[in-house]
Amino acid sequence: GAGVSQSPSNKVTEKGKDVELRCDPISGHTALYWYRQSLGQGLEFLIYFQGNSAPDKSGLPSDRFSAERTGGSVSTLTIQRTQQEDSAVYLCASSLGPIQETQYFGPGTRLLVL
Amino acid sequence: GDSVTQMEGPVTLSEEAFLTINCTYTATGYPSLFWYVQYPGEGLQLLLKATKADDKGSNKGFEATYRKETTSFHLEKGSVQVSDSAVYFCAPLGGGSNYKLTFGKGTLLTVNP
Repeated sequence: GAGVSQSPSNKVTEKGKDVELRCDPISGHTALYWYRQSLGQGLEFLIYFQGNSAPDKSGLPSDRFSAERTGGSVSTLTIQRTQQEDSAVYLCASSLGPIQETQYFGPGTRLLVL
Repeated sequence: GDSVTQMEGPVTLSEEAFLTINCTYTATGYPSLFWYVQYPGEGLQLLLKATKADDKGSNKGFEATYRKETTSFHLEKGSVQVSDSAVYFCAPLGGGSNYKLTFGKGTLLTVNP
């Protein structure tokens, strides 16, 4: 079946612009996660959704970052007023449920802020 | 919170050599343990997992055994191939947070023909 998909695969933007990153989870998966992979910080957790609710937003680095999920499916991660330190690969994952279930990752969106 | 100490790379081996990548973790409670692999230019793929003590996860010739007494989950393969060249990540899930993967820094493996 189809895996997790993300779009765009690459995004180049200018400092100060807003960007939206999209994630389509595996059909039927109720839990969705965003992680960030950067050279300096490695792989770090950003936010977790169960259905449309986000019980844990603790990994979002600043209030410029926000995320939503609609219809228990697609999720959008928005970064406002992008900064160069936001450059990273943003990875989305989904799982059947939230409790110690295997997370399946999408291919990621590579963001470059100039 | 949870943490992972993973063998630092890079690791360079010749084809058919034996591979071990060490991983130890710190977690409260009883985590599930995962190895993910990232091939060049691609996203993370699940390689194998184990959910309870003494379980052995295996896939594509790779194996790892959940050792609760030593809090370890070392990855092994008896005979590596060039196509195994990738970055390998160890990650516990659970313990302090039962939905948040905590990743090690990753180990870059290069296999030469």
